[in-house]
Amino acid sequence: QKEVEQDPGPLSVPEGAIVSLNCTYSNSAFQYFMWYRQYSRKGPELLMYTYSSGNKEDGRFTAQVDKSSKYISLFIRDSQPSDSATYLCAMGSNQGGKLIFGQGTELSVKP
Amino acid sequence: GAVVSQHPSWVICKSGTSVKIECRSLDFQATTMFWYRQFPKQSLMLMATSNEGSKATYEQGVEKDKFLINHASLTLSTLTVTSAHPEDSSFYICSEVRGTDTQYFGPGTRLTVL
Repeated sequence: QKEVEQDPGPLSVPEGAIVSLNCTYSNSAFQYFMWYRQYSRKGPELLMYTYSSGNKEDGRFTAQVDKSSKYISLFIRDSQPSDSATYLCAMGSNQGGKLIFGQGTELSVKP
Repeated sequence: GAVVSQHPSWVICKSGTSVKIECRSLDFQATTMFWYRQFPKQSLMLMATSNEGSKATYEQGVEKDKFLINHASLTLSTLTVTSAHPEDSSFYICSEVRGTDTQYFGPGTRLTVL
């Protein structure tokens, strides 16, 4: 079993839709959780990071963590074509900054 | 703006040659940098941890003699792929660690070995 599981998609939605991206994990030692966005042939860009269970909102993005269920989500409201990218969840446990990444979900937002 | 740069962004080389990839921290003194490899449609796979002034720590299965890492200054880490072969063709990405856990990634280097 992989430490972090993420549905690879691809996911295609119309512009304006609400997008839900999810990851599950098995290692209860993970203490912080991140979402990165990666455009084609580019490096990942940090979108959100959280340390505790609950919701964190930043503009159209909301990150949700449920440590009891070992489940994290990223919601994108009013999705735009510019949101089309691969979204990677990542988790760490204070091991010198090392992160474990999910497989990435490829999202396409159609105009 | 970008906080980490990589050079080159794209390189093609012949099999058997060596290629050096540079990773620069633009506005931060990074004692720790990471090197990742990413194959098409796959996630990032950590190759090694680059520590300024000391030897790199390699992940299991990564050949340290093939992927040479040097972190001679707080703003520069280099990855040299020695005697490259077509199976080494991949997207190589570095990141720097700020604070205890936040990683900022470079734009990546696409290596194609013919």
